[in-house]
Amino acid sequence: NAGVMQNPRHLVRRRGQEARLRCSPMKGHSHVYWYRQLPEEGLKFMVYLQKENIIDESGMPKERFSAEFPKEGPSILRIQQVVRGDSAAYFCASSPRQGSTFEQFFGPGTRLTVL
Amino acid sequence: GENVEQHPSTLSVQEGDSAVIKCTYSDSASNYFPWYKQELGKGPQLIIDIRSNVGEKKDQRIAVTLNKTAKHFSLHITETQPEDSAVYFCAASIVGGGADGLTFGKGTHLIIQP
Repeated sequence: NAGVMQNPRHLVRRRGQEARLRCSPMKGHSHVYWYRQLPEEGLKFMVYLQKENIIDESGMPKERFSAEFPKEGPSILRIQQVVRGDSAAYFCASSPRQGSTFEQFFGPGTRLTVL
Repeated sequence: GENVEQHPSTLSVQEGDSAVIKCTYSDSASNYFPWYKQELGKGPQLIIDIRSNVGEKKDQRIAVTLNKTAKHFSLHITETQPEDSAVYFCAASIVGGGADGLTFGKGTHLIIQP
């Protein structure tokens, strides 16, 4: 039973380029959450998605950031025109979110470095 | 929105002793409180959680307590071992309202001294 998978694990981009981060949830999980972790800090919630729907994007920056979770395939977090301040570890978590089961299980993260 | 404070930021204990990490939250509507362990270069691992209708939960050497009136919850690790060394995060959320995103504390770096 594979856990949450994220790729790439490390991503280097130059300022102005686009970054695409992918997350495949655990089998049977249809709810995905994205978080950002800056060095020496806790994780900050960005967005909560269900298949084909954005449920809560209250933590997403208003510009340059977008997320999707299509009917088929992984969830994608997209950052356009990256800046140095986007350098961070990005984690996704998945949950079955059924009945009384709503624990979130995290992937290994994607470490984004913007040069 | 919710705000979670976590203390201490660093905790050093002798192997075999107990460790206690404390968190407070601001939103009385929060009803779910998980704890995560994060090792260097890895993603957070869920170690225990508690819901607002329970005051205490235990799993082997790990226990969590919740005081809803005071809005604080704590992680207790007994008989600490070297492999317990990691960063621990508390979190809070309101499950069921459509805004399930976790609000995390800033973490506690737990160091187990041999």
